[in-house]
Amino acid sequence: GAVVSQHPSRVICKSGTSVKIECRSLDFQATTMFWYRQFPKQSLMLMATSNEGSKATYEQGVEKDKFLINHASLTLSTLTVTSAHPEDSSFYICSASGAGDSSTDTQYFGPGTRLTVL
Amino acid sequence: AQSVTQLDSQVPVFEEAPVELRCNYSSSVSVYLFWYVQYPNQGLQLLLKYLSGSTLVKGINGFEAEFNKSQTSFHLRKPSVHISDTAEYFCAAFSGGYNKLIFGAGTRLAVHP
Repeated sequence: GAVVSQHPSRVICKSGTSVKIECRSLDFQATTMFWYRQFPKQSLMLMATSNEGSKATYEQGVEKDKFLINHASLTLSTLTVTSAHPEDSSFYICSASGAGDSSTDTQYFGPGTRLTVL
Repeated sequence: AQSVTQLDSQVPVFEEAPVELRCNYSSSVSVYLFWYVQYPNQGLQLLLKYLSGSTLVKGINGFEAEFNKSQTSFHLRKPSVHISDTAEYFCAAFSGGYNKLIFGAGTRLAVHP
């Protein structure tokens, strides 16, 4: 149980285009979803927290107009990187909490999406 | 402020040897503690977690960790490692006061034959 998927697993795009990444909880309802960014050989950096049906809460320094987050249902959240530039190239990982007995303390992670902007 | 410190960035060890990956946290409130493993180009997999109760927590793949409140530590141990345990290990703390998971910098475990 508590499986989280991400799509696509890898994407290459041209500078200036927008990219959408999907995060799905496959076997539980995710009351909260999180989006992280990970640079090579570094830890995860939380970008934003989203609750179903409400606006995402962004961490300090994260541009909300550039990284659009939508959490339209209890099983799906999307991250859209708008007008992507090479410095946006990174590994993006989502996580979800709210599995099983509605525990909100454990996050289950997706497999990540490797974004490369040319 | 809440923080998580993983003292070792890299830990080399021979196969079948025991290993300990160290983690210390600082928090003024009660925390939940986690260890995650990340294999190359993959997401994070939950190894084990401490929420409350017994301070010795057993997880998957033969790993265990002990919560020590007085030393604010949550070290991860395995009595005998395998080549397949080679990966990046992250310690993390969740505090309801901050409502987010704080990660350590990670420890790269390299198991050699």
